[in-house]
Amino acid sequence: AQSVAQPEDQVNVAEGNPLTVKCTYSVSGNPYLFWYVQYPNRGLQFLLKYITGDNLVKGSYGFEAEFNKSQTSFHLKKPSALVSDSALYFCAVRGPGSARQLTFGSGTQLTVLP
Amino acid sequence: NAGVTQTPKFQVLKTGQSMTLQCAQDMNHNSMYWYRQDPGMGLRLIYYSASEGTTDKGEVPNGYNVSRLNKREFSLRLESAAPSQTSVYFCASSEPPAGGISGANVLTFGAGSRLTVL
Repeated sequence: AQSVAQPEDQVNVAEGNPLTVKCTYSVSGNPYLFWYVQYPNRGLQFLLKYITGDNLVKGSYGFEAEFNKSQTSFHLKKPSALVSDSALYFCAVRGPGSARQLTFGSGTQLTVLP
Repeated sequence: NAGVTQTPKFQVLKTGQSMTLQCAQDMNHNSMYWYRQDPGMGLRLIYYSASEGTTDKGEVPNGYNVSRLNKREFSLRLESAAPSQTSVYFCASSEPPAGGISGANVLTFGAGSRLTVL
């Protein structure tokens, strides 16, 4: 079975500081990894994904994530946080094969303080 | 550019009542999904439809039924609502990237339907 862990329910960071939202995964075979963001009273929006290739992937709004196979991690990062980045962030994984469906983590609430 | 549209946005039911959540997408996607979101549990897949005419159970299908009415529409029905079905429900659709790897598709979500069962 595939699974995702987001060990922090809440992350607080000051505006302008770098931010990291952690994600680890468990899956058989090579993973497909995703980050989604949810703003209040909205559906989830896609941020970025890792499928293959370069371990550092860049996405929307200045976010990036680094795939680390040995640590089975896919942490989300941004060099300089904005107040508008405050939202709920979900990591998700899918194992290889079209029959596998996406498994989401429990989410991390990011609050950027002015 | 509507994307994925869900109705209703809010609904309050009494235990034992039935209702249907409607979902429609205008992106010509083949695959559609129903998720529920509960605090501290992330999103869990209820049912999905890989293509028109097919539906499959997800992680938490009990108490739900679905209908893939056509390529655009995918409805979720609660036949006899229970308080444990109080949740926020999200519909999503997806299509693999052109020439891309199966499984790499990105989901587009609707705005959600908040259901309370008393």
